[in-house]
Parts: sequence; C-alpha cells; structure tokens
Amino acid sequence: LAKTTQPISMDSYEGQEVNITCSHNNIATNDYITWYQQFPSQGPRFIIQGYKTKVTNEVASLFIPADRKSSTLSLPRVSLSDTAVYYCLVGAEGYSTLTFGKGTMLLVSP
Amino acid sequence: NAGVTQTPKFRILKIGQSMTLQCAQDMNHNYMYWYRQDPGMGLKLIYYSVGAGITDKGEVPNGYNVSRSTTEDFPLRLELAAPSQTSVYFCASSQTLNTGELFFGEGSRLTVL
Repeated sequence: LAKTTQPISMDSYEGQEVNITCSHNNIATNDYITWYQQFPSQGPRFIIQGYKTKVTNEVASLFIPADRKSSTLSLPRVSLSDTAVYYCLVGAEGYSTLTFGKGTMLLVSP
Repeated sequence: NAGVTQTPKFRILKIGQSMTLQCAQDMNHNYMYWYRQDPGMGLKLIYYSVGAGITDKGEVPNGYNVSRSTTEDFPLRLELAAPSQTSVYFCASSQTLNTGELFFGEGSRLTVL
C-alpha cells in the first residue's frame, strides 16, 4: 500500500488559494488518488479523485505530476467554511484497504 | 434521498454491556463499511461488506461483530463494551470498491464508562 505524507496543519485567510500537497513516493501503477474533507462531528466528504495530470470539479482541483509521487489539492478562494481536516488517500485495492491518516487541519481566518 | 443513516447518534454504555449500532443506506450500494475515529486521529476500518451475506475484517475488528442480511442494512454489534471502545463510529457505503465516492453517515458517538 502506498504510504502518504501530508502536512499536519495549514493556515490561510479568506479569499486566498490554498494548496495542500500529499507525498506518495511508492504509488503503484493502478493506484488512484482521492481527497476527502471532514468537518468536526461529521463524516468525511468526498472532494475529488484523480489518476494523472489535472482534475477539476466545482469544489477543487487536483494536480498530479507525471511521476505521480505527489499530488496537490487546490482550493480556490477559501472561506471560513473551508476550515476542516483534509485527507489524502492512495490505493487501487479498494476502500477495504485504504487508510485515513491524521490528515491536514486547514484553518481559515478572516 | 437519505443516503446513509446511523442510529443512535449518542450512547453511553457501562463496561460489559452490549449494544448494536444501526446503519442503513438507500442507494443500493453493495459495499458498506464501519470505521471508528478516536479524538484527533484518522479513521480506522473495523469491518466491511461487499454484499449481502459477505463480511470481512478490517484493521481493528476485535470486540465487534457485523452482519449483512440485506443490501440496505449493516449493523455493528459491540459485545462486552470496554472503555477502549469509546469513540465516534462512522458507517459508509460505496458503489464500487476501488474508485469513486464513499458516502458517510453522520456518526454515532459512543462512551463506555
């Protein structure tokens, strides 16, 4: 299983773009990269998933370089409501084996 | 569309008591999961199911049991509750096992005293 490393915490201000990078040096050929968001006292919520290059949806963008050893979740113009924990998951064997680590605690201030 | 529904939301147990956490999903998903989340930590998989009648252990199955008699329901049974089982429990479901979205319930906060 590919191990992931992401910052424990990040700080930002409203209106800024936030980039959270996840390292996964031993990612396998079939592995997908998935990001989840979790607010206090709630279950995680799916944000975005990708395999290579760039994926964009209405909430975020996911940038994956050619070597796929890292990925960056980009949140455009964050607001206070984006304060949450963000998890990076890597794997292809399925959710039965993917690990939610401690994630990155993003704090957005006014 | 209710998604994944968990009951109860809160429960206090005494050491040695047993209880069942209920989980139901209305999305016709084959795959269902139970996680626990301790304060300040990530989620750990307890058990999962790939379909009615089929369950398997996750990372931390000791002290728990599950059953899957229908596609919709995936109850988690705690036998002989211990303080170490104090946690928030999340049930989730997915349409596929390998990709796509995990849909989570709102969680059940359990305290064992």
